[in-house]
Amino acid sequence: AAGVIQSPRHLIKEKRETATLKCYPIPRHDTVYWYQQGPGQDPQFLISFYEKMQSDKGSIPDRFSAQQFSDYHSELNMSSLELGDSALYFCASRMGQGLAKNIQYFGAGTRLSVL
Amino acid sequence: AQTVTQSQPEMSVQEAETVTLSCTYDTSESDYYLFWYKQPPSRQMILVIRQEAYKQQNATENRFSVNFQKAAKSFSLKISDSQLGDAAMYFCAFLASGAGSYQLTFGKGTKLSVIP
Repeated sequence: AAGVIQSPRHLIKEKRETATLKCYPIPRHDTVYWYQQGPGQDPQFLISFYEKMQSDKGSIPDRFSAQQFSDYHSELNMSSLELGDSALYFCASRMGQGLAKNIQYFGAGTRLSVL
Repeated sequence: AQTVTQSQPEMSVQEAETVTLSCTYDTSESDYYLFWYKQPPSRQMILVIRQEAYKQQNATENRFSVNFQKAAKSFSLKISDSQLGDAAMYFCAFLASGAGSYQLTFGKGTKLSVIP
């Protein structure tokens, strides 16, 4: 079965650079979530999209922005990177309707290292 | 706002034995779901089991079962016949389903080691 695809898997950037993380949800899933997991931490919710519109916002820095496109894939854009942005970034998707609507399926994550 | 507390940072279990991981939560929501996710060294987040708050029957998935005590706001995970592949970080997670975006709130996690 198709899963959530995230790219790239690993990314190394310098301070003050920009980064773009991509997420391709499971087919027919209309909702995408972004989570940030720092070293030794639990995942923290950043932002979510439903049907290409932002549905909720968590602890996402103003330097970050995201969007969901017409094909439902999503991109997380990160600017003016700081050392503290080094983390594992997860994307998760779910189907907005049906019995499984409360289950989020996670991608393998993008490991961002800021040097 | 919801909070999820996992009071056991680390646990260990002998292979083939049973272990129980604890989780408590605090919420004013009446409609919600609870989950256990497993994160092995690969860092992939894998759904282990879920529980709907409106269901009194405890969820089970093969060797994994939960003890859901709604009044006590407790949601523990029992792993029976532990296997080496069960070694991972386990996160308890809460999702309010009444309204909003259905974002997950995670506990700090419990690192489970399985001893051969």
